[in-house]
Amino acid sequence: GNSVTQMEGPVTLSEEAFLTINCTYTATGYPSLFWYVQYPGEGLQLLLKATKADDKGSNKGFEATYRKETTSFHLEKGSVQVSDSAVYFCALTQTGANNLFFGTGTRLTVIP
Amino acid sequence: ETGVTQTPRHLVMGMTNKKSLKCEQHLGHNAMYWYKQSAKKPLELMFVYSLEERVENNSVPSRFSPECPNSSHLFLHLHTLQPEDSALYLCASSQDLWGAGVGNTIYFGEGSWLTVV
Repeated sequence: GNSVTQMEGPVTLSEEAFLTINCTYTATGYPSLFWYVQYPGEGLQLLLKATKADDKGSNKGFEATYRKETTSFHLEKGSVQVSDSAVYFCALTQTGANNLFFGTGTRLTVIP
Repeated sequence: ETGVTQTPRHLVMGMTNKKSLKCEQHLGHNAMYWYKQSAKKPLELMFVYSLEERVENNSVPSRFSPECPNSSHLFLHLHTLQPEDSALYLCASSQDLWGAGVGNTIYFGEGSWLTVV
């Protein structure tokens, strides 16, 4: 089956710290992988995506590389800001699947 | 601004009320979805529409009734809800159903916060 496992939060970092949020997946085929972000009081926004192995998605200083050998899509940012405080969701979909499979989300709080 | 607009943003209703949530997408997409987001639980897919036809109904109680009059609009009609139905309801759309094309991306609205009292 298809599933996504994210590291449990919450994660609290100081401003300018390095961020990693782990995401691993299980899929029967060749999925597309996504990171969505949910800022307080808002809906989900697409942050970045990758559609095939070794692709790197990037946006707003965030990066994630599609690693087929480790079935991972870890989210990284070199220097977080207070404005990055949000909940981050890893997700996957693939041809023939009838759902977008989400992880449970990881809450990030960045303190000044 | 994602191109998916939900109204109202906040709704408080009694258990005997009837209300509706509205979603409109301005992206020319063919597929629309309702998700439920409860505290400390993964997002739950509720309903899926493709070209105005319902293609998925994930064992959602009948007190939730979706309606898709055209490819740009999606409603969720609510009646005799329970307090445990209080949650954030998210509408989303995509060009085609998931997986219909590699990298088919789903865009979400900002959600409607529902409180059942």
